[in-house]
Amino acid sequence: DSGVTQTPKHLITATGQRVTLRCSPRSGDLSVYWYQQSLDQGLQFLIQYYNGEERAKGNILERFSAQQFPDLHSELNLSSLELGDSALYFCASSPGTSGRSSYNEQFFGPGTRLTVL
Amino acid sequence: KNQVEQSPQSLIILEGKNCTLQCNYTVSPFSNLRWYKQDTGRGPVSLTIMTFSENTKSNGRYTATLDADTKQSSLHITASQLSDSASYICVVSGGSNDYKLSFGAGTTVTVRA
Repeated sequence: DSGVTQTPKHLITATGQRVTLRCSPRSGDLSVYWYQQSLDQGLQFLIQYYNGEERAKGNILERFSAQQFPDLHSELNLSSLELGDSALYFCASSPGTSGRSSYNEQFFGPGTRLTVL
Repeated sequence: KNQVEQSPQSLIILEGKNCTLQCNYTVSPFSNLRWYKQDTGRGPVSLTIMTFSENTKSNGRYTATLDADTKQSSLHITASQLSDSASYICVVSGGSNDYKLSFGAGTTVTVRA
């Protein structure tokens, strides 16, 4: 158990809908990262937050947005869903955002499996 | 463009045998290299993290090596067990900010009895 929790575990919805995925980082971790992993694909970095502020953006679509709240949990909002958005969405957390490698190790949550029908 | 390439794409080994996975990268500047194990449908779990000054690092039956000059890394699995069946992902950090992670596509290892 990495200490990172994600809800829900599974989500089935229809095209055009909007969903929210939730992530609680490990206790004390300030950084939260979101990743998308489509079937048989590698992990794609979406976005990073550090202590409530957006720190970096990766391959995140405009239909997707995220935020990190004062209690450090994060939510990933996916809107106008398309069939191709079906994937595993992982959240990871780390203590900080820069410095020595051990300080930045990312711990992954169990993921949310999103199925868009 | 920073790239991380892993080989082989997949492999099948018999329980108790050893295997070695390869990772070549072009990420620059280089900060650290990590190997993750990902069971099907689960989140990746870190096996090792190495900076440019570290040549080898072990975690139980897993041993990672790094040659920062040739930009190559390997992950050796000793005396494989059925539970080693998973995808092994090489991840390279290119700088002080960890968001600059470059992920390999992974090597799928299947251990058979």
